[in-house]
Amino acid sequence: GAVVSQHPSRVICKSGTSVKIECRSLDFQATTMFWYRQFPKQSLMLMATSNEGSKATYEQGVEKDKFLINHASLTLSTLTVTSAHPEDSSFYICSAARVSRETQYFGPGTRLLVL
Amino acid sequence: DAKTTQPTSMDCAEGRAANLPCNHSTISGNEYVYWYRQIHSQGPQYIIHGLKNNETNEMASLIITEDRKSSTLILPHATLRDTAVYYCIVGLMEYGNKLVFGAGTILRVKS
Repeated sequence: GAVVSQHPSRVICKSGTSVKIECRSLDFQATTMFWYRQFPKQSLMLMATSNEGSKATYEQGVEKDKFLINHASLTLSTLTVTSAHPEDSSFYICSAARVSRETQYFGPGTRLLVL
Repeated sequence: DAKTTQPTSMDCAEGRAANLPCNHSTISGNEYVYWYRQIHSQGPQYIIHGLKNNETNEMASLIITEDRKSSTLILPHATLRDTAVYYCIVGLMEYGNKLVFGAGTILRVKS
């Protein structure tokens, strides 16, 4: 149990386009999911906390209008990178915790390359 | 959230125990110690967590000092597949609490 998936695993897009990344908890419900970004040879940096049925909470310095988060159900959160630029190229990772449990489980990550 | 200090890197011989230390001298009384690891180009994997008692599961053991200011993650018989970045994180054990990752320790298991 406690499997988190992400789709797509890799995506290449042109500068100026938008990209949507999905995060799903496959065998449990999660009212809260988290989105992280990781640049090469760096640690994970928390971008935002996604709450089912309400607005996401963004970390300082993360543009909420650029990184749109929607948590429409207890098993799905989406991150949309709008008007992507080459500097948005990164490894995006989501995590989720089971309702009534506290340990977070991470997805396999999505590698985004913006040309 | 309390911060942690870990060595940048460590080497371990295959088949031997890998002991990864972590200092968390500012940990508060209700904060837990979590360990995750990240194998190259994958999402982090949960290993173990604890409050004050030593913990063991199928992956590892966690030894927390009595004053809770430091801990050690023990992989009893390291394999090449255990080569990864290991993160020690302290945080509150409550639903929805975010995890703040530091730089972690690069563990290289060598044959």
